[in-house]
Amino acid sequence: SQQGEEDPQALSIQEGENATMNCSYKTSINNLQWYRQNSGRGLVHLILIRSNEREKHSGRLRVTLDTSKKSSSLLITASRAADTASYFCATAINAGNNRKLIWGLGTSLAVNP
Amino acid sequence: GAGVSQSPSNKVTEKGKDVELRCDPISGHTALYWYRQSLGQGLEFLIYFQGNSAPDKSGLPSDRFSAERTGGSVSTLTIQRTQQEDSAVYLCASSFGGARSYEQYFGPGTRLTVT
Repeated sequence: SQQGEEDPQALSIQEGENATMNCSYKTSINNLQWYRQNSGRGLVHLILIRSNEREKHSGRLRVTLDTSKKSSSLLITASRAADTASYFCATAINAGNNRKLIWGLGTSLAVNP
Repeated sequence: GAGVSQSPSNKVTEKGKDVELRCDPISGHTALYWYRQSLGQGLEFLIYFQGNSAPDKSGLPSDRFSAERTGGSVSTLTIQRTQQEDSAVYLCASSFGGARSYEQYFGPGTRLTVT
């Protein structure tokens, strides 16, 4: 079953604007990850934030994690047309050596030139 | 280095036929995952192999689905007596063991169409 739920389901912005996507989950996690999927490059890992971290940056990406609210957000600053893709959050639950991820349904982002 | 590869990239089969999908993980990755993605949907977990441990098969939707991983490397996902609802993109991913094992590297997928 899906644990993560992203919102919005779809987002359309102009190039240069910021895009914010949210992810909520239900159970305790070890870490939360964001992935991007587009037709050109398939599914690619973007960033991982651990349960004891609150914020993480990678280039134009900023991820926050609020474990009390069981939610995370992904901010893409100064968006580009090339950022057009679907963005998924995936959670790794605390389960010993099991590295299985539980995936959300994704946010479809369109960045218009 | 080489990424995860999958073959075939596309497969069209008739309902009732068996299909085999292949995944070559990144060399050195001990974990291998199979997912299914229907059009416009998220990823549905199917099965997970970690080293020599028993695989986590909890996501396989029916006993028509099976997978094996030979020699800790290449994996084959087999779907017997395919049904139209099996049509989807089947994605394989691999990852390291240890502290870095949560980051998954995906192959390009196999698009399966059951007619």
